[in-house]
Amino acid sequence: DIVLTQSPALAVSLGQRATISCRASQSVSISRYNLMHWYQQKPGQQPKLLIYRASNLASGIPARFSGSGSGTDFTLTINPVQADDIATYYCQQSRESYTFGAGTKLELK
Amino acid sequence: QVQLQQSGAELVKPGSSVKISCKASGYTFTSYDMHWIKQQPGNGLEWIGWIYPGNGNTKYNQKFNGKATLTADKSSSTAYMQLSSLTSEDSAVYFCARKGLRSYYFDYWGQGVMVTVSS
Repeated sequence: DIVLTQSPALAVSLGQRATISCRASQSVSISRYNLMHWYQQKPGQQPKLLIYRASNLASGIPARFSGSGSGTDFTLTINPVQADDIATYYCQQSRESYTFGAGTKLELK
Repeated sequence: QVQLQQSGAELVKPGSSVKISCKASGYTFTSYDMHWIKQQPGNGLEWIGWIYPGNGNTKYNQKFNGKATLTADKSSSTAYMQLSSLTSEDSAVYFCARKGLRSYYFDYWGQGVMVTVSS
C-alpha cells in the first residue's frame, strides 16, 4: 500500500498562511497526472473535496485554497486562513488503490 | 443537486451483521462508482471498496474481504453495505462517496453512519 504521511497538527494565526504537507511512500504521479487529492473535514461532518489532482480547485472552493506538488511531495496552502478553515485536512492518493493520510488538524495559534 | 443520504445510526451486538444504505439523487446512479470509507473515532479514513451500480461489479480492499459486502439497487438508486461478524473493531462511522466520472477522487460524500458494536 502507498502510505501517506502528514504532520498531526499545525497552529496558525488568522490571516496568515497555512502550509500542510503530505509525503507519499512512492510516487503517485502517472505521466502528467498527479493522483493526489485533498479534503477538509469538520467535526461531525463528512469530508469535502478541496483540491483534485494536486492543484485543481474543486467546485465552490474559495481561491484562498491551493495545492501543489508532484511525485511524492505535495502541499495544500490556505492563504489567508479564516476562522471557518479550522478543520482536519486529509490527503488521498489514487495511484494504487485508495489510501488517505492520517490528517492534519489545523488549529488557531 | 447531487445528494447521498445515508441511513441512521446502528447499535448492534458482537457477532451480528448490519446493512447500511446510501440513497443517491441528483445524478445518474448507474453511471458512477460508489465507494465506501471507514472512519474510526479519532482516526483517519480507510477505503473499504467500490461498486459500479451499472453492472454490479465490485472491488474490495483486501482487508475487508469477507467483512463487507457491497450491493446496489438500481430501481431505488440506493447502494448498500453489509458488515458481518461484527466486533468492536467495526465500531466506526461509515461513509459512502461518489467517485467522479473518469476521475480518481471522491466528489460527493454521504453524511456518514455511526455503527456501534456493543453487547
